[in-house]
Amino acid sequence: QSVLTQPPSVSAAPGQKVSISCSGGTSNIGSNYVSWYQHLPGTAPKLVIYDNNKRPSGIPDRFNASKSGSSATLDISGLQTGDEAEYYCGAWDISLTAGVFGGGTLVTVL
Amino acid sequence: EVQLVQSGAEVRKPGESLKISCRGSGYNFPNYWIGWVRQMSGKGLDWMAVIYPDDSDTRYSPSFQGRVSISVDKSMSTAHLHWSSLTTSDSGIYYCARGMSPTNVNSPFDLWGQGTMVTVS
Repeated sequence: QSVLTQPPSVSAAPGQKVSISCSGGTSNIGSNYVSWYQHLPGTAPKLVIYDNNKRPSGIPDRFNASKSGSSATLDISGLQTGDEAEYYCGAWDISLTAGVFGGGTLVTVL
Repeated sequence: EVQLVQSGAEVRKPGESLKISCRGSGYNFPNYWIGWVRQMSGKGLDWMAVIYPDDSDTRYSPSFQGRVSISVDKSMSTAHLHWSSLTTSDSGIYYCARGMSPTNVNSPFDLWGQGTMVTVS
């Protein structure tokens, strides 16, 4: 059971948008920044969003994110087949004094 | 090139010990937290622990405290993840990763190693 809760899967057609939710609590998302990672099988995870809504260099602006209270959302617009991957949210938890991840959401392009 | 390079795949028997490594290069290794993340087969990412190479300050997830230990050799720019007695549930892929902001323990991981597969059987 992950500390952060994500839906197991989302899907949409090419060109459409998907939204992935991440629900936590006051000790993690509610009091710290949220980050998002893209993980393709057989590769290392890749940071796509940090500090709630900032994109690292090289991440397209099709990836956007927001945070409200103890929840966060990652939006991927203009969906491409290359976006098919598992996506994880992450945050620091001040009660655990450790980082935590969500359980992951599989994005499928129909 | 800024990178983290991990040691190769390992196969061990239950009860054996193991140490895997992660070498950083191309950046100021001592001043960025290094973390370890586990992925068991078919499962998600599990945050394990982080270490600050400059002074070996550590933080462990309660789920992993006492089950693994992390260390660092600053002179070799290398971090280690160590098990004293493996169990079959320790099988998985282990990634090392660098914290994005110097000195901040709660930084997201912006640089990842290629992963080390550990098989305990």
